[in-house]
Amino acid sequence: SQQGEEDPQALSIQEGENATMNCSYKTSINNLQWYRQNSGRGLVHLILIRSNEREKHSGRLRVTLDTSKKSSSLLITASRAADTASYFCATALPSNYQLIWGAGTKLIIKP
Amino acid sequence: GAGVSQSPSNKVTEKGKDVELRCDPISGHTALYWYRQSLGQGLEFLIYFQGNSAPDKSGLPSDRFSAERTGGSVSTLTIQRTQQEDSAVYLCASSLARSANIQYFGAGTRLSVL
Repeated sequence: SQQGEEDPQALSIQEGENATMNCSYKTSINNLQWYRQNSGRGLVHLILIRSNEREKHSGRLRVTLDTSKKSSSLLITASRAADTASYFCATALPSNYQLIWGAGTKLIIKP
Repeated sequence: GAGVSQSPSNKVTEKGKDVELRCDPISGHTALYWYRQSLGQGLEFLIYFQGNSAPDKSGLPSDRFSAERTGGSVSTLTIQRTQQEDSAVYLCASSLARSANIQYFGAGTRLSVL
């Protein structure tokens, strides 16, 4: 069963605006990762945040993690048309090699 | 290699036929995963290989599905007697270690069963 639940399922914004996606999970985690998928093909890792971290930045990406609420958010600032993709969160459970995947958020950036 | 390579990129087959999907992981990556993704859905775990350990087959949906990994490198996912519900994108990923590290994905094989 899926550990991560993402919302919204779909998001459409104007180029230049900020996009925020959320991920909630159910059990304790070792880390939480965000991936991007273009056109239903291979996923690309974006950022990893460990359970003892609260915020992490990478370029225009900002990820937060609230372990008390079992939730994470991904913020993409100053969106570009090339950011159009599906975004997935994946949680790594302690002492487990699997990543448990959410259903994803489909982001559309309108020019 | 530079990245995870999957072949074929697209496969169209008739119901009842067997198919083989291939994955060539990043050199040196000991962990290899197979996932299935139906249209607009998340990733469904199928099977996991780690080094010479016995694979975790807990995600395989039926005994028509099997996978092997030869020499700790290339892996083949075989689907026997394909059904229309097998139509999906099959993704392979590899990672460096047993712990849940970053996974590197191939471009996937889009399987269509007619």
